[in-house]
Amino acid sequence: NAGVTQTPKFQVLKTGQSMTLQCAQDMNHEYMSWYRQDPGMGLRLIHYSVGAGITDQGEVPNGYNVSRSTTEDFPLRLLSAAPSQTSVYFCASSYSIRPTYEQYFGPGTRLTVT
Amino acid sequence: QQQVKQSPQSLIVQKGGISIINCAYENTAFDYFPWYQQFPGKGPALLIAIRPDVSEKKEGRFTISFNKSAKQFSLHIMDSQPGDSATYFCAAEHPNDYKLSFGAGTTVTVRA
Repeated sequence: NAGVTQTPKFQVLKTGQSMTLQCAQDMNHEYMSWYRQDPGMGLRLIHYSVGAGITDQGEVPNGYNVSRSTTEDFPLRLLSAAPSQTSVYFCASSYSIRPTYEQYFGPGTRLTVT
Repeated sequence: QQQVKQSPQSLIVQKGGISIINCAYENTAFDYFPWYQQFPGKGPALLIAIRPDVSEKKEGRFTISFNKSAKQFSLHIMDSQPGDSATYFCAAEHPNDYKLSFGAGTTVTVRA
């Protein structure tokens, strides 16, 4: 099992550019989510999905889009990058939306927007 | 506005010492409190978790103490080892939507 994989590991964008952060899991988990991690802020939920075709907003969804066409993949799209989106992004998956079911995090993507 | 306040921001402890990280919350409806451990360049991983009907939970050298009346909980790392050097996050589960609110994190450095 590869677990949760994320690509790319690092990315530099210019303001206004768009890009997609990839996330895939091979554990057949229904629940997947995207977080951003900023110094002094902990992790904040961006978007999440409880199954293929079902997505919803988290705490900080503005400027990001998601879709879930398969159980395995959950890409995060930045529509028009802004310096405020400079952050480390983590994808996570778990058997269920309940945190009592352990969430498995990917290794992260470090994004810098200039 | 963070719903879970974590302190200290960082701490340094000697090998064999005790590391203590504290978290406080306001929403009394939170009903699940996990701790995550994150090594540099890696994603967080669940370390230990507690429910509010239990005052203490121990797993190896890691112990959560929970004070429901004070709305506080803490992580104790006993006999700290250099391999424990990491960032630790506390979190609390929202009861209605199951989403987690995370603390800001504590970077623990264990000196050999």
